[in-house]
Amino acid sequence: EAGVAQSPRYKIIEKRQSVAFWCNPISGHATLYWYQQILGQGPKLLIQFQNNGVVDDSQLPKDRFSAERLKGVDSTLKIQPAKLEDSAVYLCASSPRREPYNEQFFGPGTRLTVL
Amino acid sequence: DAKTTQPPSMDCAEGRAANLPCNHSTISGNEYVYWYRQIHSQGPQYIIHGLKNNETNEMASLIITEDRKSSTLILPHATLRDTAVYYCILLSNFGNEKLTFGTGTRLTIIP
Repeated sequence: EAGVAQSPRYKIIEKRQSVAFWCNPISGHATLYWYQQILGQGPKLLIQFQNNGVVDDSQLPKDRFSAERLKGVDSTLKIQPAKLEDSAVYLCASSPRREPYNEQFFGPGTRLTVL
Repeated sequence: DAKTTQPPSMDCAEGRAANLPCNHSTISGNEYVYWYRQIHSQGPQYIIHGLKNNETNEMASLIITEDRKSSTLILPHATLRDTAVYYCILLSNFGNEKLTFGTGTRLTIIP
């Protein structure tokens, strides 16, 4: 079974530039998550999709971050404009809609450096 | 608003059992204890979860105290590949609730 795919793996940009990350979840997984992990901290959930609808985006800085999940499969996360404090690893995860078992499968992440 | 408390770091000799503690004194009746780990430069990986009974799978064992206020993750024969940050997380299984990661325990396996 193929895992969660993310691209790019690394990205370096200047502050005030824009950047986009892509995620392809495991086939058939209805739920998709984007996390931000700052160095030395645990991942923090930014947004959760159920199919192509948003379930939770309470911690997404909506003035600069946006995310979409077209057709309930792939997803993109965008930052526009980037700030220095956005330097982090952005992780995508997916899970099947299978309760009560709630395992999330994570991708390798995209490391963003904002200069 | 961390609901679990873990030691920041631990060492364990290769081949020995690694016992990682977690305190969750305010756990609710419908909350499960989940364990994930994150190897360097990788995304987190699910290990095991339990409600009140002890659980075992091919990766680890989970021991939950009778009052459910603490638990221990046991890696029975630690290898160098088990070096990682281990996260103990409480999660109710009513729908797709979000994982709230703390800072975890950095486990280092010593050759």
